[in-house]
Amino acid sequence: DAGVTQSPTHLIKTRGQQVTLRCSPKSGHDTVSWYQQALGQGPQFIFQYYEEEERQRGNFPDRFSGHQFPNYSSELNVNALLLGDSALYLCASSVPGLNEQFFGPGTRLTVL
Amino acid sequence: AQSVAQPEDQVNVAEGNPLTVKCTYSVSGNPYLFWYVQYPNRGLQFLLKYITGDNLVKGSYGFEAEFNKSQTSFHLKKPSALVSDSALYFCAVTPDSARQLTFGSGTQLTVLP
Repeated sequence: DAGVTQSPTHLIKTRGQQVTLRCSPKSGHDTVSWYQQALGQGPQFIFQYYEEEERQRGNFPDRFSGHQFPNYSSELNVNALLLGDSALYLCASSVPGLNEQFFGPGTRLTVL
Repeated sequence: AQSVAQPEDQVNVAEGNPLTVKCTYSVSGNPYLFWYVQYPNRGLQFLLKYITGDNLVKGSYGFEAEFNKSQTSFHLKKPSALVSDSALYFCAVTPDSARQLTFGSGTQLTVLP
């Protein structure tokens, strides 16, 4: 069982650019959540997708958007990148009724 | 809104000694509580969870946590620390298993040989 996978592992962008991060959930999981972990801080919830719809959203601007595909994989898109968007972006998957989220290894985004 | 406090940024303990990493929480209703561990440049690994039932929860790698409703605490413990336990530990809470996790700021545990 391949667990949660994320790509790419690392990414370097410049201010103003756009970025797309990808996540494949654990086999059998249909819910995907995205978190941003800035250096020295705990993860902050961005949004959650279920049945291809955004079900919950944290306190992040509209520059952060996402998508979930029929195979439950998900993308996180960030437009007009700011230096403050530099962080580790974590994807987590789960299923309804499962009281646990499984996290991927993360994508390290650096904005210069 | 829910919140988590981890009052210690850093905990140092000698190998073989017991360790405690503190966590207090605030949430409406009954809490779902979790501990995760993070090694450098890695994602989060699940250690244990409290949903309901016994206040003492046992998890992976010999860790356990004690749920105290009156003190709204969920401290992580291990009877005998290993150098390999050195890592960043996060406590998290949610009021509903389907909803987002709210994490604390993390506690860096260093076990000294």
